[in-house]
Amino acid sequence: AQTVTQSQPEMSVQEAETVTLSCTYDTSENNYYLFWYKQPPSRQMILVIRQEAYKQQNATENRFSVNFQKAAKSFSLKISDSQLGDTAMYFCACYSGAGSYQLTFGKGTKLSVIP
Amino acid sequence: DGGITQSPKYLFRKEGQNVTLSCEQNLNHDAMYWYRQDPGQGLRLIYYSQIVNDFQKGDIAEGYSVSREKKESFPLTVTSAQKNPTAFYLCASTWSRYSNQPQHFGDGTRLSIL
Repeated sequence: AQTVTQSQPEMSVQEAETVTLSCTYDTSENNYYLFWYKQPPSRQMILVIRQEAYKQQNATENRFSVNFQKAAKSFSLKISDSQLGDTAMYFCACYSGAGSYQLTFGKGTKLSVIP
Repeated sequence: DGGITQSPKYLFRKEGQNVTLSCEQNLNHDAMYWYRQDPGQGLRLIYYSQIVNDFQKGDIAEGYSVSREKKESFPLTVTSAQKNPTAFYLCASTWSRYSNQPQHFGDGTRLSIL
């Protein structure tokens, strides 16, 4: 079984500053994919960024980037130039491309951007 | 625009009552999923379906049932056997269970006990 751990239940950041959310995972599969989802107060789950485990290059999407450390099984999310609209729950998730073919979520980090 | 529609947005259940949550998608996706979200618990998989007339239990299927009579629809019934149904329920879909493409989510249904 795979597990995803987010060790920071809550975080805050000043507007325009940079914040990093932590995520570690454990899987026995070699073929897997990692995701960060954002859930704003409206409760809709929105994909933020995706990383293929076989790619060494870290994924980036505008102000969002990841630090993927495969050996350490770490997948942190960096948000640059934080905006008020970034206030949300952030979930890290791991998809196994073999075996269970299941998407496993962490428990989430609640991020508050302070004006 | 393509997407996933969940209804109702809010639902109340009386003691001993079964209630059904609706999930419809027009993305032409084969795979559909139901998740339960509790505070501090993340998302937990209830049921999933890869094709019509076939579905499988997830990690917390007890007290729930589903059907998949149409590709577009995957309703979830919360039965009276589910003793703690109060939660936020999310429906999701993707091209295939075996696809690494991200799942798309509906806006959710909040279920509470009267």
